[in-house]
Amino acid sequence: DQQVKQNSPSLSVQEGRISILNCDYTNSMFDYFLWYKKYPAEGPTFLISISSIKDKNEDGRFTVFLNKSAKHLSLHIVPSQPGDSAVYFCAAPRGNSGGSNYKLTFGKGTLLTVNP
Amino acid sequence: KAGVTQTPRYLIKTRGQQVTLSCSPISGHRSVSWYQQTPGQGLQFLFEYFSETQRNKGNFPGRFSGRQFSNSRSEMNVSTLELGDSALYLCASSSNREGTEAFFGQGTRLTVV
Repeated sequence: DQQVKQNSPSLSVQEGRISILNCDYTNSMFDYFLWYKKYPAEGPTFLISISSIKDKNEDGRFTVFLNKSAKHLSLHIVPSQPGDSAVYFCAAPRGNSGGSNYKLTFGKGTLLTVNP
Repeated sequence: KAGVTQTPRYLIKTRGQQVTLSCSPISGHRSVSWYQQTPGQGLQFLFEYFSETQRNKGNFPGRFSGRQFSNSRSEMNVSTLELGDSALYLCASSSNREGTEAFFGQGTRLTVV
């Protein structure tokens, strides 16, 4: 049972345009979401996060939107640059009684290609 | 501040052998978690350690085990290696605070032949 879904395996955009990466989740207990960027043969790099008490979080060219009623979030990259070409993972942590965030559940990722 | 360090970066082992991978977390981080990345399954959670105790375990067979030392460094061990264990093994460290992200190492690429 995949609790975090990224239904688009790949996305191709032109440099300077907007990239929109989507993520859906099924577990209503998730209350914090993260986006990671990953290059081949490297570990994921944290990009941006959002708490369920917000519907938007912005950091430079990256904005994440959260629609709790639809259990949907999206990552917007504006403007897209060739260096943004990577696999993007959406993830949700599950805390335990200790309360910390770990045990990330990842989507399968979306390969973004930004063409010059 | 040094990041998460995983050693070795690459490893080739034969079926039936066992392997130990090492992870040094970011200084001050006491939570270390391990993930397996394969092309078909994506990133899957293996287990997480905090203060030398395993707090959570993913859905992997008992051949996969781990431990954490008093300095928060962690090791994972895979015994009786199978071809399907070939993967990128990633370690992540985090603080124990709510709403904080996990930081990943560069991973160990294990190839079982």
